[in-house]
Amino acid sequence: AQKITQTQPGMFVQEKEAVTLDCTYDTSDPSYGLFWYKQPSSGEMIFLIYQGSYDQQNATEGRYSLNFQKARKSANLVISASQLGDSAMYFCAMREVNNYGQNFVFGPGTRLSVLP
Amino acid sequence: DAEITQSPRHKITETGRQVTLACHQTWNHNNMFWYRQDLGHGLRLIHYSYGVQDTNKGEVSDGYSVSRSNTEDLPLTLESAASSQTSVYFCASSDATGGNEQFFGPGTRLTVL
Repeated sequence: AQKITQTQPGMFVQEKEAVTLDCTYDTSDPSYGLFWYKQPSSGEMIFLIYQGSYDQQNATEGRYSLNFQKARKSANLVISASQLGDSAMYFCAMREVNNYGQNFVFGPGTRLSVLP
Repeated sequence: DAEITQSPRHKITETGRQVTLACHQTWNHNNMFWYRQDLGHGLRLIHYSYGVQDTNKGEVSDGYSVSRSNTEDLPLTLESAASSQTSVYFCASSDATGGNEQFFGPGTRLTVL
């Protein structure tokens, strides 16, 4: 079963506008972490933001914020004031912690294009 | 500065050959991971290790093996390369104490002809 769902294969946003990238997850573990990574055309994976399952407040990192709705199992990434350099693939990922350690699961990604 | 490196960055090989991709990290992380990235699939976990002498199968482990003889290295071996294994391979590491991110290597693009 798909543990991370990203329903938007591609998104467009006008420069300087805000954009929300959707992510829903599925887990029965009470302790988990949610991540967003950016992959520009150069190919490297860049960590953006992290939300722990017990965190009371939504995570923020500069222009990135994570809209965490635990009951709905969603962890949407909000990018404010989009820049041309934000054009990239964005991956949502989940870290599960079990008796054996950690496991990471990634979604299929959303390609964001920022228009001038 | 600590880093994670992969070699080679690009590799072309023939069907049936054995191929080994190297991954080396200087973060002193216990956890290391190998992923493959294919269009439409995001990253899929191949193998992972939680420490020296520990290896575990991931979602797409068939045809791959790893060994962990020290903290820094987790080489990935394709025993008999197949065209279906043409992909971009990423190595990553993370802190065993539950640190907040995985640190990724730059990736290896493997083509199996």
